[in-house]
Amino acid sequence: DSGVTQTPKHLITATGQRVTLRCSPRSGDLSVYWYQQSLDQGLQFLIHYYNGEERAKGNILERFSAQQFPDLHSELNLSSLELGDSALYFCASSVDVDSYEQYFGPGTRLTVT
Amino acid sequence: DAKTTQPNSMESNEEEPVHLPCNHSTISGTDYIHWYRQLPSQGPEYVIHGLTSNVNNRMASLAIAEDRKSSTLILHRATLRDAAVYYCILTGSRGGSEKLVFGKGTKLTVNP
Repeated sequence: DSGVTQTPKHLITATGQRVTLRCSPRSGDLSVYWYQQSLDQGLQFLIHYYNGEERAKGNILERFSAQQFPDLHSELNLSSLELGDSALYFCASSVDVDSYEQYFGPGTRLTVT
Repeated sequence: DAKTTQPNSMESNEEEPVHLPCNHSTISGTDYIHWYRQLPSQGPEYVIHGLTSNVNNRMASLAIAEDRKSSTLILHRATLRDAAVYYCILTGSRGGSEKLVFGKGTKLTVNP
């Protein structure tokens, strides 16, 4: 158990819908990262927040957005969902902005039908 | 981002050592070498990292070539639980892991 929690574990929704994925980092960690893992693209970095502020963006679609709240939990919002958005979404946390280790949560499996 | 090259798959027997290679010929002087692994149906897990010197921790050892163009992750005694995809990743200066760029990794199969 990494100490990072993600909810929900599974999510099934229809195309065009909007969903919110939630992540609680390890206690004391200030950085939160979001990754997407699909069969064809592998594990891809989406976005990084540090202490409430966006630090880096990766291949995140404009339909996706994220935020980190004052209590340090983070949410990833996916809207206008397409079939291709079906994937595993992982959240990771680390102590600082440039920590050597990232701790990954168990992931949320999103299925868009 | 500097590129890494790993074999697609490797096989090992339980309780034998495993050497997982990684080539990173375009590594810069300040790039750190990280290894993560992903067990089936789980999120990635940090294994080890290093810059120039060989490193040991409770999970594994990391051997870094003198020219730093390659490295090897060593599992001293493989167990069935070590069956996973192993990723070799380079990160920028200061060892910052702001963004981990995962390749395809090496799928390790451990035979009983």
